Amino acid sequence: NAGVTQTPKFQVLKTGQSMTLQCAQDMNHEYMSWYRQDPGMGLRLIHYSVGAGITDQGEVPNGYNVSRSTTEDFPLRLLSAAPSQTSVYFCASSFGGWAGGNEQFFGPGTRLTVL
Amino acid sequence: RKEVEQDPGPFNVPEGATVAFNCTYSNSASQSFFWYRQDCRKEPKLLMSVYSSGNEDGRFTAQLNRASQYISLLIRDSKLSDSATYLCVVSGGADGLTFGKGTHLIIQP
Repeated sequence: NAGVTQTPKFQVLKTGQSMTLQCAQDMNHEYMSWYRQDPGMGLRLIHYSVGAGITDQGEVPNGYNVSRSTTEDFPLRLLSAAPSQTSVYFCASSFGGWAGGNEQFFGPGTRLTVL
Repeated sequence: RKEVEQDPGPFNVPEGATVAFNCTYSNSASQSFFWYRQDCRKEPKLLMSVYSSGNEDGRFTAQLNRASQYISLLIRDSKLSDSATYLCVVSGGADGLTFGKGTHLIIQP
């Protein structure tokens, strides 16, 4: 199993550009999430999905969209990039929900710089 | 806002020593507790879950004190490979996971 994969690993954008960060998992997990990690801060939840066709907002959703058309894929779209979105983005998946104490499996991350 | 607080360190510890760090959480309704390990420029990986009765995995021992709302991690006989950032993670159920900022541990030869 490849686990959770993310592409690209690195990306530089100009302010106002849009792009999609890709995330895929091959573990048949229902739950998938996107986090951002900034220096001096804990991981913060952007959006999450509890199954194909179902998404919801996390703590910091503004400026991002998600969709979940299949169990495997959970892309994150930046609509109009801003310097404040410079961060490391992690996708994660789990077999069950947060309340059940389920292990989160993280992808290797995407390092995004917005100029 | 639910908070998870950790001492950021760094903790500089000689190889073979025992080191312990704590984290405190603000949400008394929290249900699940974890320690994740994150190596430099890598993704977090689960180190261990933390149970009410305390649990041990080799050189690592985790304990939970619900009354005082803190979680601890003890590492015995530390190895150079234990150098990493340790993230305290708390689940409040449907509200998702709250991550601490991490404690940076450096094991020195």
